[in-house]
Amino acid sequence: GENVEQHPSTLSVQEGDSAVIKCTYSDSASNYFPWYKQELGKRPQLIIDIRSNVGEKKDQRIAVTLNKTAKHFSLHITETQPEDSAVYFCAARNFGNEKLTFGTGTRLTIIP
Amino acid sequence: DAGVIQSPRHEVTEMGQEVTLRCKPISGHDYLFWYRQTMMRGLELLIYFNNNVPIDDSGMPEDRFSAKMPNASFSTLKIQPSEPRDSAVYFCASSFNFRTSRLQETQYFGPGTRLLVL
Repeated sequence: GENVEQHPSTLSVQEGDSAVIKCTYSDSASNYFPWYKQELGKRPQLIIDIRSNVGEKKDQRIAVTLNKTAKHFSLHITETQPEDSAVYFCAARNFGNEKLTFGTGTRLTIIP
Repeated sequence: DAGVIQSPRHEVTEMGQEVTLRCKPISGHDYLFWYRQTMMRGLELLIYFNNNVPIDDSGMPEDRFSAKMPNASFSTLKIQPSEPRDSAVYFCASSFNFRTSRLQETQYFGPGTRLLVL
């Protein structure tokens, strides 16, 4: 089955700097890669996703890149703000299977 | 739309008691997922349904856990008997079938049920 590894497990950045979280996946048939943000005590919420026919996607301060050859994808947050502090999860799903395989999460702390 | 609804939001019970968690998916969604989240094991998929039919229950930890979906708008996850190691946050999520809807197949999570078994 699919295996998703996520790094780093914790990340602290100064407010205004950029943050990058990286994930690798094992199943070359995976074609959908969402990122979820989970604030303390809250539910995971989708912040951005990308499909395998696209190399990059942006939404304001967040962007996701995908390298299918290397089987890795990354989340980029620019101009970080205190409200970006949360746990971020990457996930992967392959065509024909509805299951999402989640990474282990990255706890991002924005230092004011 | 109210989103995915879960009840109760918090549950405290004693070891050996039966626990029933409830979920109402987003109207029109045909997939429903049950997850368990702990610090040690992260987000684990327990079981998921398509059109009320269980598709994959390989994540259900043991026979003490069971899940049902009697109709498109309701699902339950039952633990009987409960044990302290079952303490976790249980999330329900729902999504469209992207093959038929051509809409975004994102899974939308409910607020979760925080379960504490003493």
